[in-house]
Amino acid sequence: VQLVESGGGLVQPGRSVRLSCTASGFTFGDYNVNWVRQAPGKGLEWVGLIRSLGFGGTTEYAATVKGRFSISRDGSHGIAYLQMNSLKAEDTGKYYCVREDYGAYSPYFDLWGQGTLVTVSS
Amino acid sequence: AIQLTQSPSSLSASVGDRVTITCRASLGISSGLAWYQQKPGRPPKVLVYDASTLQNGVPSRFSGSGSGTAFTLTISSLQPEDFATYFCQQFDSFPVTFGGGTKVEIK
Repeated sequence: VQLVESGGGLVQPGRSVRLSCTASGFTFGDYNVNWVRQAPGKGLEWVGLIRSLGFGGTTEYAATVKGRFSISRDGSHGIAYLQMNSLKAEDTGKYYCVREDYGAYSPYFDLWGQGTLVTVSS
Repeated sequence: AIQLTQSPSSLSASVGDRVTITCRASLGISSGLAWYQQKPGRPPKVLVYDASTLQNGVPSRFSGSGSGTAFTLTISSLQPEDFATYFCQQFDSFPVTFGGGTKVEIK
């Protein structure tokens, strides 16, 4: 059971990059998938989520990325994507793909990928 | 957005010490709070969800409590492998938010 992110690297400000998250070992389509980022030496920031296919695959985004980032999923191949456009220096950080599970009261993040580093710099 | 304020931001403790970390929410979130542990170079790992439910496989020296706006994570007897940074998180309403983190260091 794992999530593996890919696609990070050095990107110029204003450009785009697409991150991938490949799931294995579980039924990917049954779960919501979130993206969480962490700037170097800083805390955790939620980026957004895509709901499971059973909940329509709808999305939610943080205000800091809304309109610039979009999340999609390929259920048949167990892959989620984070499309990042109009990148800014403050988007620099490690991006984690995270599976969401449900407790009795609230969701929580039970499975994290190792993360992929995105550096936005000229 | 619901803000989560963790305290302290860092602490020094010895092996065997009892450690308590506090997380306060700017609005009531019922029991919708989780705690994560992160070690350098590693992704976070969930310890507690629903404010007080221990994730499978997490040692029983970890416990969570609280509801509404005030929550605590307690480590009853600190072990060498517990030196790490701890984050609280709420998923009661969007956007999902995290506390600023508490770094637990060796005294």
